Amino acid sequence: EPEVTQTPSHQVTQMGQEVILRCVPISNHLYFYWYRQILGQKVEFLVSFYNNEISEKSEIFDDQFSVERPDGSNFTLKIRSTKLEDSAMYFCASSDPTSGGIYNEQFFGPGTRLTVL
Amino acid sequence: RKEVEQDPGPFNVPEGATVAFNCTYSNSASQSFFWYRQDCRKEPKLLMSVYSSGNEDGRFTAQLNRASQYISLLIRDSKLSDSATYLCVVDPGFQKLVFGTGTRLLVSP
Repeated sequence: EPEVTQTPSHQVTQMGQEVILRCVPISNHLYFYWYRQILGQKVEFLVSFYNNEISEKSEIFDDQFSVERPDGSNFTLKIRSTKLEDSAMYFCASSDPTSGGIYNEQFFGPGTRLTVL
Repeated sequence: RKEVEQDPGPFNVPEGATVAFNCTYSNSASQSFFWYRQDCRKEPKLLMSVYSSGNEDGRFTAQLNRASQYISLLIRDSKLSDSATYLCVVDPGFQKLVFGTGTRLLVSP
């Protein structure tokens, strides 16, 4: 069964450093997403990406965040200057809304745990 | 009012029990609805989509009441492996999912 993959599984960084989280969405999917989950809290939407551009972003997704699809398979989230409060699990997801009518079923990767020291 | 509201639980039930979770959402224009399951420190996994007419998948039954903006999930004949957090999820139609905080279920022998 096709699945979303993410690397690394755990990233430790110093405050102020840049990090890049990588994702390989399901190959025939057209929409890509990033979510985050701070420990003990709910999953929060960050950004959606379609046709090589951002289609929707949340208030959390400020100027320190950026996304990119550098090639035909990878989808990345860059955090330019990490803060302590960026420590969270970051989930990538993908979907193909055209396959299920209005039901935008999104499939999640296993996540990258980001720890900012 | 929170966008998606759930009772956090935990719900402690014995094996074989029937348990029901409820959820309310605030955006009446929401397009689609889901239940996801999340195990500890793992990714959310789609359990089932929720259709207006209600739908069943084995031991799981989901219901949607658009007028009341209310979604439910019923689990019959609970198994130990059903222990997890159940996330009520709404798509408001803007290519994003809005998650509830989740309801924790603990099934004991």
